[in-house]
Amino acid sequence: DTAVSQTPKYLVTQMGNDKSIKCEQNLGHDTMYWYKQDSKKFLKIMFSYNNKELIINETVPNRFSPKSPDKAHLNLHINSLELGDSAVYFCASSFPGLAGTRETQYFGPGTRLLVL
Amino acid sequence: AQTVTQSQPEMSVQEAETVTLSCTYDTSESDYYLFWYKQPPSRQMILVIRQEAYKQQNATENRFSVNFQKAAKSFSLKISDSQLGDAAMYFCAYNTDKLIFGTGTRLQVFP
Repeated sequence: DTAVSQTPKYLVTQMGNDKSIKCEQNLGHDTMYWYKQDSKKFLKIMFSYNNKELIINETVPNRFSPKSPDKAHLNLHINSLELGDSAVYFCASSFPGLAGTRETQYFGPGTRLLVL
Repeated sequence: AQTVTQSQPEMSVQEAETVTLSCTYDTSESDYYLFWYKQPPSRQMILVIRQEAYKQQNATENRFSVNFQKAAKSFSLKISDSQLGDAAMYFCAYNTDKLIFGTGTRLQVFP
């Protein structure tokens, strides 16, 4: 009965490769997010989509490209992977109630990416 | 710039005792939400408690409660009757239009 799921959970790859992480939520939420958690555990938002439309695009290298085929899915594609991309990537979703994007966000289990 | 500060990188507590984790934030906004998330070793981010800034009453969820001081921009988390399963990283977060996290406090619980 998973709410927010991500695949894969672990990803080990070589520098220069291209990889994708997938996220799906079955909560009926309209808004989805990608976060990056670095080696010091600091969490920072990367992107946010509301009903397939990009609404937050933080200062992220353009090697990172999110795609939302429908409001239940948000994928993250990373081109030309670099050592510094090694991190845990979290997907999250929220329902835009009265508080809009301030509503509670529910997180997926995270994808640990290791670039060698 | 909006920032969230957790000044205690690590805290420890004896089982069944009470511990308070501190959090301060900096904002010029008046309408925002505050959250505490827990991240156990499994790395899952779990919502602990949330507080709407317009509410004066402090939020409570079972053994977890907050002390929200809006004028002081302070939002501390109190864990009562600590349990071994409370051991985790705790993140304070602030949201006006996007969620901004503090650097986290690692809580150890000793039997």
